[in-house]
Amino acid sequence: ILNVEQSPQSLHVQEGDSTNFTCSFPSSNFYALHWYRWETAKSPEALFVMTLNGDEKKKGRISATLNTKEGYSYLYIKGSQPEDSATYLCAFYSSASKIIFGSGTRLSIRP
Amino acid sequence: ETGVTQSPTHLIKTRGQQVTLRCSSQSGHNTVSWYQQALGQGPQFIFQYYREEENGRGNFPPRFSGLQFPNYSSELNVNALELDDSALYLCASSSHTTTNEKLFFGSGTQLSVL
Repeated sequence: ILNVEQSPQSLHVQEGDSTNFTCSFPSSNFYALHWYRWETAKSPEALFVMTLNGDEKKKGRISATLNTKEGYSYLYIKGSQPEDSATYLCAFYSSASKIIFGSGTRLSIRP
Repeated sequence: ETGVTQSPTHLIKTRGQQVTLRCSSQSGHNTVSWYQQALGQGPQFIFQYYREEENGRGNFPPRFSGLQFPNYSSELNVNALELDDSALYLCASSSHTTTNEKLFFGSGTQLSVL
């Protein structure tokens, strides 16, 4: 059974601090890894699509890295702002039509 | 550009009944996938439709079925509802089935089975 783990489950960070969290996935049968941000009362929104070992993606203050050989991806947020409060989901593709989501990391930013 | 819309937003059914959930994909998208999210868990992949054909399925029983129409909108049907089917059901569309395509999600349908 393929498993995708995200840690920590929840995180409280002071505004202005930087933070990071992890998505762990099987190191075999890797097709792609996606990161999504899901704000309360909204729809999940795509942040990054990562397909190659060593990929690094950046969008404003948010960046992500990918290590397919050891089966993990990190998401970093620099200088957290209240609008970063959301649940961050990673999704692992083990084939073109099989996707497994992690349970998410719930991030709260304290003003 | 029209986003992904789902209907209804909330639904209450009783055990044993049948339910149909609907999803309109984003314009230009030909692929729709459905997910079940139970409380405290991540979305679980139910199935994917591409050009009106199912082309991938997760670990859900046959009483979960779907359709995709020529305009690429989609339905999720669940027969013989069970209490454990209570969840948020999300649909997502993408412009192709390849794994490097972002998913665009709707707001979901919250289903309660009593």
